[in-house]
Amino acid sequence: QVQLQESGPGLVKPSETLSLTCTVSGGSISNYYWSWIRQPPGKGLEWIGYTYYSGSTNYNPSLKSRVTISADTSKNQISLRLSSVSAADTAIYYCAKGQGYTPGSWGHGLLVTVSS
Amino acid sequence: DIQMTQSPSTLSASVGDRVTITCRASQSFSSWLAWYQQKPGKAPKLLIYQTSRLDSGVPSRFSGSGSGTEFTLTISSLQPDDFATYYCQQYHDYPLTFGGGTKVEVK
Repeated sequence: QVQLQESGPGLVKPSETLSLTCTVSGGSISNYYWSWIRQPPGKGLEWIGYTYYSGSTNYNPSLKSRVTISADTSKNQISLRLSSVSAADTAIYYCAKGQGYTPGSWGHGLLVTVSS
Repeated sequence: DIQMTQSPSTLSASVGDRVTITCRASQSFSSWLAWYQQKPGKAPKLLIYQTSRLDSGVPSRFSGSGSGTEFTLTISSLQPDDFATYYCQQYHDYPLTFGGGTKVEVK
């Protein structure tokens, strides 16, 4: 059974870049879509974007100018970069493996707080 | 963007009840609709994809139906483990969008 583990800093300063990694174990990232989704504390879910293992991407237009998602098949990792963060970007960030075109298996999530 | 609206936002029910949650879309589409269950402090778990297909290991008391702009999640006999928040999500078009959630609480 595939397992996903998000990692990265839990605290990021305003205007800086948030960088997270999703390490996949128990299976290859090849041949799947990999999404990042976030959830502000106590609120609903927002899809950030996806990457296919081959490198194609699709981003939420609300974040498109600030987000980059990429896949590293040699490390079996998916990465997320979100630039120019503000308090509004404080959230639990999840990575998820595609069940077809929709997020299927999710990681446990990582709380990232944007604060000086 | 396709807006997804869930109702009710909160549902009070008892063990053994039949529970139905509705999800309405701002645009019509056929089957690219998923349902997730989320418990406090946990990641969402995929229950149903493609409107009515149960993900592996999901109990058969869960079912999904619908098309067009109205979709439903039904729990045929609510179990203690089912008290949670449920989200619908469309993947007919990008960006993927979620409903606001329905919290199923103890009556």
